[in-house]
Amino acid sequence: KQEVTQIPAALSVPEGENLVLNCSFTDSAIYNLQWFRQDPGKGLTSLLLIQSSQREQTSGRLNASLDKSSGRSTLYIAASQPGDSATYLCAVRPGDSGGSNYKLTFGKGTLLTVNP
Amino acid sequence: DGGITQSPKYLFRKEGQNVTLSCEQNLNHDAMYWYRQDPGQGLRLIYYSQIVNDFQKGDIAEGYSVSREKKESFPLTVTSAQKNPTAFYLCASRRGGLAGYTFGSGTRLTVV
Repeated sequence: KQEVTQIPAALSVPEGENLVLNCSFTDSAIYNLQWFRQDPGKGLTSLLLIQSSQREQTSGRLNASLDKSSGRSTLYIAASQPGDSATYLCAVRPGDSGGSNYKLTFGKGTLLTVNP
Repeated sequence: DGGITQSPKYLFRKEGQNVTLSCEQNLNHDAMYWYRQDPGQGLRLIYYSQIVNDFQKGDIAEGYSVSREKKESFPLTVTSAQKNPTAFYLCASRRGGLAGYTFGSGTRLTVV
């Protein structure tokens, strides 16, 4: 059974700092991994999608990497801003053909606070 | 703009009542999903549908029902058999293949 772990559970940084959020998964047989952002009481906003054949994806100040063999992904946020404060979730889509490859497995998230 | 619309934003249910949460998408996505989010437990899959008129149970389907009569719509009914329905409910859709997921803004259901 796939398990996804996100470390740390919470992170508080001063504005302007570069930071890394970590995501690990137990089964390396995945189709892809997706990073989301969730603001309090809101839905999920997709940030980056990395296919299993890719090593990284970039969007603006965000860079996500994927090391499938070691079961790890990182989300790098450059020059953090107070508006980046949110919960960041990673989700893995399994690559098996047994019918469960449509189900995302989510980590519990990292709560990021960027202080002005 | 294309997206997923969930309604209502807040819903209150009395004991023994069935309530229905709406999810509509104009993205022309084939697959749709319902997730439940509880504090400290992450997101758990309730039901999913890959095509119209077909749906499958997820990990926590007991006490819930769905229908998929139209491609754009995937309503979720929380029945009186669901013992602990208070939660944040999220609907998602996906185009197909290796595409990522798009989520709605959620419905917060509270039992009163």
